[in-house]
Amino acid sequence: QSVVTQPPSASGTPGQRVTISCSGSSSNVGTNHVYWYQLLPGTAPKLLIYRNNQRPSGVPDRFSGSKSGTSASLAISGLRSEDESDYYCATWDDSLSSVVFGGGTKLTVL
Amino acid sequence: QVQLQESGPGLVKPSETLSLTCTVSGGSISSYYWSWIRQPPGKGPEWIGYIYYSGSTNYNPSLKSRVTISIDTSKNQFSLKLNSVTAADTAVYYCATSPTWALGRAFDIWGQGTMVTVSS
Repeated sequence: QSVVTQPPSASGTPGQRVTISCSGSSSNVGTNHVYWYQLLPGTAPKLLIYRNNQRPSGVPDRFSGSKSGTSASLAISGLRSEDESDYYCATWDDSLSSVVFGGGTKLTVL
Repeated sequence: QVQLQESGPGLVKPSETLSLTCTVSGGSISSYYWSWIRQPPGKGPEWIGYIYYSGSTNYNPSLKSRVTISIDTSKNQFSLKLNSVTAADTAVYYCATSPTWALGRAFDIWGQGTMVTVSS
């Protein structure tokens, strides 16, 4: 079991806004930056959000990140069919001295 | 734009050593952090470790006793060796790079991944 928790699934219809949560503790999310990745089988994973709320160039502004205390969130607005994918949060854990990934959230676009 | 490509055997026998290479194209390996990450079937990714271009390394404590990451700047490649493998090491293995400011803790460019199965 990961020390960082995500809901296993999320869904929405095209055009909707969905939010994926990432819950940790003071040794990880609470004191370190959170990153969000999109993983689709057979393709290179993609960094969506870095340092809690920053978007790399090329990532649409429909994707946004936030963090408060020991929780972080990824929001996707204007949902599109191509957003159907697995999403993972990740951060450094000071106690484990390791990068830790959340368990992942499978997003379905209905 | 930097691109990464993993290569190596797709099948490894239990107790043997898993060896993978990541070839870096479109840029020099002589900067940044270079990492290995794996994802077992049906599970989330697991960070294995990184090597800085200078040669310093940092490994996931849970794998540290079995892992070696090395770098060959002349070939623009870095490599992973994981010894004494078991079925639990079956996974898609990714190589990835981190910008310097991320200290190897975040990954902005990934390879497509290579599936490695541990089985006799």
